[in-house]
Amino acid sequence: ETGVTQTPRHLVMGMTNKKSLKCEQHLGHNAMYWYKQSAKKPLELMFVYSLEERVENNSVPSRFSPECPNSSHLFLHLHTLQPEDSALYLCASSQDLSAGVLTDTQYFGPGTRLTVL
Amino acid sequence: AQSVAQPEDQVNVAEGNPLTVKCTYSVSGNPYLFWYVQYPNRGLQFLLKYITGDNLVKGSYGFEAEFNKSQTSFHLKKPSALVSDSALYFCAVREAGTGANNLFFGTGTRLTVIP
Repeated sequence: ETGVTQTPRHLVMGMTNKKSLKCEQHLGHNAMYWYKQSAKKPLELMFVYSLEERVENNSVPSRFSPECPNSSHLFLHLHTLQPEDSALYLCASSQDLSAGVLTDTQYFGPGTRLTVL
Repeated sequence: AQSVAQPEDQVNVAEGNPLTVKCTYSVSGNPYLFWYVQYPNRGLQFLLKYITGDNLVKGSYGFEAEFNKSQTSFHLKKPSALVSDSALYFCAVREAGTGANNLFFGTGTRLTVIP
């Protein structure tokens, strides 16, 4: 349960605010992910990092800016968000994406519940 | 294109009865299939996965799933449901050999176990 942690757990922000979400994994993994979870919709993969390099960006608006300073930490910087960006943002990590091990299981954090007013 | 369908938004089952949560998938090649569970205010927890080999996969908390290639299904099952199994269940697929990093999720099925 404490393998992947996320802070804050809840965040309310206005459309002109700047805030950051933080994710930390204690599993020794090399790959980290940001997902967006909205009600009644499949999880949407936003960003993938492998060994601190971004390997995937699924057409996410520039108001979302990821940062991966090392393999244990992942940030999502938020700027001038829209109300439709309100969702649960989930961080995940997996063992070794760089080796192309697609069978690796992703382990998720508890998420940050974001509300944009 | 890869996709997952969970045809039931909600499944209700009495405690002690067997449960099934359905999942069908669509990939061009061979699939890697996963089941995750999400409890209220929590992240997704890994339950089990199918990569290759035996079509019946056993996972955490007494859950199992059967890979059926001809029906492109990967239904989640448990012989005897517990009230504590009440949660949101997600099926996910990734296509083998494509190099793609994406894990495609279904929309989820809410399981309610009635005491």
